[in-house]
Amino acid sequence: EAQVTQNPRYLITVTGKKLTVTCSQNMNHEYMSWYRQDPGLGLRQIYYSMNVEVTDKGDVPEGYKVSRKEKRNFPLILESPSPNQTSLYFCASSRRDTTGELFFGEGSRLTVL
Amino acid sequence: KNQVEQSPQSLIILEGKNCTLQCNYTVSPFSNLRWYKQDTGRGPVSLTIMTFSENTKSNGRYTATLDADTKQSSLHITASQLSDSASYICVVRGNRAAGNKLTFGGGTRVLVKP
Repeated sequence: EAQVTQNPRYLITVTGKKLTVTCSQNMNHEYMSWYRQDPGLGLRQIYYSMNVEVTDKGDVPEGYKVSRKEKRNFPLILESPSPNQTSLYFCASSRRDTTGELFFGEGSRLTVL
Repeated sequence: KNQVEQSPQSLIILEGKNCTLQCNYTVSPFSNLRWYKQDTGRGPVSLTIMTFSENTKSNGRYTATLDADTKQSSLHITASQLSDSASYICVVRGNRAAGNKLTFGGGTRVLVKP
């Protein structure tokens, strides 16, 4: 089954404790991206990757890091989480062509205390 | 700055009734526009894509329209069902000259009541 898998789905952590949210897709998609979704603000792009070893900042990259060492994986790293990073996070992937439909993961709800 | 504005922010309709959601955008040059449905607690799923040359496209009870001249799109839900309760997100893609960049609307939250 074609899917984007995120882990963990739910996480409560404390300020400053490094964490990684993993994302994996099995559709051989070149493009992968991370979004955060907050009430009233919609989906905002954090980082994206057009292919292996190629990553770029989205609209809200501060406080986040990513890497794309393999085509299927695109982890999101919070080196020193802060309470304002409490949010619902989505990973998505798509083909690189201009009609590429985004396939989203199920989301990871992160709470930083 | 490229923007995508959706209206209304939320609406409540009775089961069986129709409703129309609006999406206005300033993205230019334009490549395509997608409507996504997001059930509560789930990731968005594509409903339909509209390209520059398309005016109307249907997917079951969902019908999307596009007026590329006025930069407006609508999503019409016919004979609503309880399962239509969700957020609907309009996503506009710029063309290659614009880096194929995606711009997201804030979404419209639809609640269908029995």
